[in-house]
Amino acid sequence: DQQVKQNSPSLSVQEGRISILNCDYTNSMFDYFLWYKKYPAEGPTFLISISSIKDKNEDGRFTVFLNKSAKHLSLHIVPSQPGDSAVYFCAASGLGGGGADGLTFGKGTHLIIQP
Amino acid sequence: DTAVSQTPKYLVTQMGNDKSIKCEQNLGHDTMYWYKQDSKKFLKIMFSYNNKELIINETVPNRFSPKSPDKAHLNLHINSLELGDSAVYFCASSQELVSGELFFGEGSRLTVL
Repeated sequence: DQQVKQNSPSLSVQEGRISILNCDYTNSMFDYFLWYKKYPAEGPTFLISISSIKDKNEDGRFTVFLNKSAKHLSLHIVPSQPGDSAVYFCAASGLGGGGADGLTFGKGTHLIIQP
Repeated sequence: DTAVSQTPKYLVTQMGNDKSIKCEQNLGHDTMYWYKQDSKKFLKIMFSYNNKELIINETVPNRFSPKSPDKAHLNLHINSLELGDSAVYFCASSQELVSGELFFGEGSRLTVL
């Protein structure tokens, strides 16, 4: 029972172009969403988050969009850079934060930025 | 300084053995977690521990037990290891109910032969 789904295992984008990573969720109790980035042999690191009271959050080259009615969020990276090549995990939590219940993660999308 | 550190990074052992993975965080966080990333790459929560309250994911076998000697440490003990326990185990911490942001360790790859 996957409550957070990332249906694209991998995505290849040319350097300088926009990368769009998608995520869908099924649990309507989720109200906080995060994106994590993971390099090989390292732990995931926090990238950007969005609360359900917003529909957009921007941080430099990274923007997360949330469509609550569709239970869908996306991460936009523009312009894409070689260092962005990594696995990106979408994560969600309920009741305002991770708290003691932690986060529910998607399976990840491997983003490959081609020179 | 590493914020969340786990040891060992790699662990190879035989079926039936008992092993432990240690985790320490120097962020002053209230809550610590153990996650398992299996061969299908899902990151699934196993435990969370906050102020001596342990929350267990009901799918985790009771061969797995977390031990917290103090607020900065949450160690994972695994008894009678099975082949299916082979995975990467991540420790994480967070400041409870602030942002939901978790800080992860580098992971410990456990291989059971």
